[in-house]
Amino acid sequence: ETGVTQTPRHLVMGMTNKKSLKCEQHLGHNAMYWYKQSAKKPLELMFVYNFKEQTENNSVPSRFSPECPNSSHLFLHLHTLQPEDSALYLCASSLRAAEQPQHFGDGTRLSIL
Amino acid sequence: GNSVTQMEGPVTLSEEAFLTINCTYTATGYPSLFWYVQYPGEGLQLLLKATKADDKGSNKGFEATYRKETTSFHLEKGSVQVSDSAVYFCALIITQGGSEKLVFGKGTKLTVNP
Repeated sequence: ETGVTQTPRHLVMGMTNKKSLKCEQHLGHNAMYWYKQSAKKPLELMFVYNFKEQTENNSVPSRFSPECPNSSHLFLHLHTLQPEDSALYLCASSLRAAEQPQHFGDGTRLSIL
Repeated sequence: GNSVTQMEGPVTLSEEAFLTINCTYTATGYPSLFWYVQYPGEGLQLLLKATKADDKGSNKGFEATYRKETTSFHLEKGSVQVSDSAVYFCALIITQGGSEKLVFGKGTKLTVNP
């Protein structure tokens, strides 16, 4: 139990669907992150939020839309995704941005049909 | 730029064998270095870290020494167990453009057979 919970664990969606990934942490952290983990590629940082403000967008396509309503919750809204977006999406949190350690959730395995 | 290069996997060992997973880095400045581990079906967990040259990080029998002269941070364990089967990620944190970035390697999958 890492203190970071992601739902759903698995998601299959068509390219025209709209869905959202959810991440919740009860660690009292102020920074939250979205990562994309694809086979045979380095872990890719997508977004960083620090005290609810987005501080980094790592050139992520606009079909991924993050939302951070408070320091404990982070969402990733998905729409018109492509097959190459199939991956494991990991959420992480830390006390402050870029501080270690980051605590990771177990991820959402996303498959785009 | 800043990058981390890990040895290609997968690595398959028998129980009680010696483990080395190589990691080298390229960075401007003096990064902090980390090893994360990802067990099957789980997210990443910090395994150990070193924040300056010649520091040795250790945890759960794993060790890695920050070698500035060779820009390396190789992970070692003297006697692996089946429960060590996981994917291991080397990472560095570097200050860039006024903010800090965590950069990961591609990961090395380790399978330990009984």
